[in-house]
Amino acid sequence: QVQLQESGPGLVKPSQTLSLTCNVFGDSISSGNFYWSWIRQPAGKGLEWIGRIHTSGSTKYNAALKSRVTISSDMSKNQFSLRLSSITAADTALYFCARYDFNNFDAFDIWGQGTMVIVSS
Amino acid sequence: QSALAQPASVSRSPGQSITISCTGTSSDVATYKYVSWYQQYPGKAPNLIIFEVNNRPSGISSRFSGSRSGNTASLTISGLQAEDEASYYCSSYSSNSIVVFGGGTKVTVL
Repeated sequence: QVQLQESGPGLVKPSQTLSLTCNVFGDSISSGNFYWSWIRQPAGKGLEWIGRIHTSGSTKYNAALKSRVTISSDMSKNQFSLRLSSITAADTALYFCARYDFNNFDAFDIWGQGTMVIVSS
Repeated sequence: QSALAQPASVSRSPGQSITISCTGTSSDVATYKYVSWYQQYPGKAPNLIIFEVNNRPSGISSRFSGSRSGNTASLTISGLQAEDEASYYCSSYSSNSIVVFGGGTKVTVL
């Protein structure tokens, strides 16, 4: 059973860079046709797709965040990461990592439990 | 503003049916069959309940069904139960290989 687990600092100061990691258990991120993705949700609001990295290493980002986002992967650690620069209070949210399976579902079939990020000085 | 438009809330009594709409554009819902729906309880991660417009993953109740007409996708929950009280989000693959979400619909079981 594949499981995802996010980790990172719960509190980040404005203007700094947020770094989150998603550890993948039960499968290798280097195999299969998947998009390993980041999605966030401000409190009481809807889901926002941040971006994804393909098994091949290619990336795609939300246009609204593109200038500040980098998603990368580390095959040796079986994890992928999110970096979001120039953080503001508007980036305060619950951040999820998720697997997009475009072989079987063309949907996000597995999600992490989410990690809360608060931007405050 | 979310890319896909959903009603903010819907309320029904147990046993009734509800239909949640998800309106997109020719760049997403109208063109691609990759429309999915997620159920989310407060403080929890979303859970996939419908994929490719009208398919249910294994283990999802047959009370959940999906459809699409033009640029509007719909989720129907029949025989509403207390456990269905949650938020529901639609999602679609979009042009330029991105994914878009709806703003979410909170379902209240009266």
